[in-house]
Amino acid sequence: DTGVSQDPRHKITKRGQNVTFRCDPISEHNRLYWYRQTLGQGPEFLTYFQNEAQLEKSRLLSDRFSAERPKGSFSTLEIQRTEQGDSAMYLCASSLRQSQETQYFGPGTRLLVL
Amino acid sequence: AQTVTQSQPEMSVQEAETVTLSCTYDTSENNYYLFWYKQPPSRQMILVIRQEAYKQQNATENRFSVNFQKAAKSFSLKISDSQLGDTAMYFCAFMKLRNNNAGNMLTFGGGTRLMVKP
Repeated sequence: DTGVSQDPRHKITKRGQNVTFRCDPISEHNRLYWYRQTLGQGPEFLTYFQNEAQLEKSRLLSDRFSAERPKGSFSTLEIQRTEQGDSAMYLCASSLRQSQETQYFGPGTRLLVL
Repeated sequence: AQTVTQSQPEMSVQEAETVTLSCTYDTSENNYYLFWYKQPPSRQMILVIRQEAYKQQNATENRFSVNFQKAAKSFSLKISDSQLGDTAMYFCAFMKLRNNNAGNMLTFGGGTRLMVKP
C-alpha cells in the first residue's frame, strides 16, 4: 500500500506567476485535506474534500487559491498571482471516513516565491 | 475554536534516556481525539500516537506513551530509551469529531524540536 504522494516536492516561482500542486492520496481514502505550514510553525488547515466534493474551506484560503478533486481521486491546489507571503510548505493528508479517523500526510510541496 | 500550545520550542536528550514533551489544549468539546505527529528533518509527517478523549487509559506505542489528563487539558508525550532516529519536530494536534460529512481537520501546536544526542 503506497502512501500519500505529492508533486512537485519543491517549486520556485516569481511573484505574480501561477502554480499548481498535485496530491495523490492513499487509494481507498475518501477524505483529503490540504494544510499549509510556514517555517517553524505547525500546519494550518486550508480545505477539505470528501470524495469529489469540496466541503470546507478555511479563511486562510483566499480567492487566489482554488482546489479540485475530480472523480474523488487525486487533488490539485492552484495558487494564482503568487505573492511572497505564499511561500510555505503545502501538505496533503488523506483518511478514511470512519469512527477513528487518522490522517496520513504526504511529503509536502515546498513553495518559494521570489 | 480550539487552541493547542506546546511550551517547549526545543529540547534535547541523551541517547537511551527518557524525555517528556508537553502539550496543553483549550476546548469546550467533549468528543475529540489527540495526536502526536513526528516530522523528521526534510521528511514527511508521521503519526506517533493517538488518544481518544473518551478513553481513560493512556495510549502506548512501543517506546512512546502519553499522559492524558482530560480535566487539566494536558497531553504529554514520553519517549523512553531515546534513539538518534527520534530527532525531529514533534507536533501535538487536536481533532474535534464531527458528524456526517463534516471534515475532521487537525489543529496543531507550534511544535517542539527534539534533538537526541549520542
